[in-house]
Amino acid sequence: DAGVIQSPRHEVTEMGQEVTLRCKPISGHNSLFWYRQTMMRGLELLIYFNNNVPIDDSGMPEDRFSAKMPNASFSTLKIQPSEPRDSAVYFCASRGGAGGYTFGSGTRLTVV
Amino acid sequence: RKEVEQDPGPFNVPEGATVAFNCTYSNSASQSFFWYRQDCRKEPKLLMSVYSSGNEDGRFTAQLNRASQYISLLIRDSKLSDSATYLCVVDFSGGYNKLIFGAGTRLAVHP
Repeated sequence: DAGVIQSPRHEVTEMGQEVTLRCKPISGHNSLFWYRQTMMRGLELLIYFNNNVPIDDSGMPEDRFSAKMPNASFSTLKIQPSEPRDSAVYFCASRGGAGGYTFGSGTRLTVV
Repeated sequence: RKEVEQDPGPFNVPEGATVAFNCTYSNSASQSFFWYRQDCRKEPKLLMSVYSSGNEDGRFTAQLNRASQYISLLIRDSKLSDSATYLCVVDFSGGYNKLIFGAGTRLAVHP
């Protein structure tokens, strides 16, 4: 089991640029979650999908953020345009049954 | 009131000590509770689920008090390798699909 795979591991971009973060959940897991972690705000749930359908996106900070899950094995989180305050670690997690989530290693985003 | 509240610490304890972390949550309808551990610059990892009757996993004991909306984690015989941030996690959907994480409690175990 390869676990939840996120890419890239690190991303440094200039303000105003588009950023796309990618996630491959564990095979067979039917729920996928995007979280953002900062020192100030801790871990925040941005959006989650069940069977590829977005269920709750109330945590998405604003319209600059969008997420898609075109199939069971792939999801993207896009920020356009990016701003310095978007700098954070973005985690993807998946779950396949009762119990907690399995997290990916995260993408460390720095917007300069 | 925050949805999930924890004392941020840090808790600095010597090896072999017993240490307890507490957590309160705001949603009385919550059904699922967990403790996660996060090492510096790593992803959170599930430490243990928390059951109504309380549960134990080796040196770790978790307790739930629904009436007080309170969860605890007890670590006995602390090891250097226990140094990490411990996250209290509560579901806010009546199931498992909206887990809300506390800000975490930092533990530092020293020789």
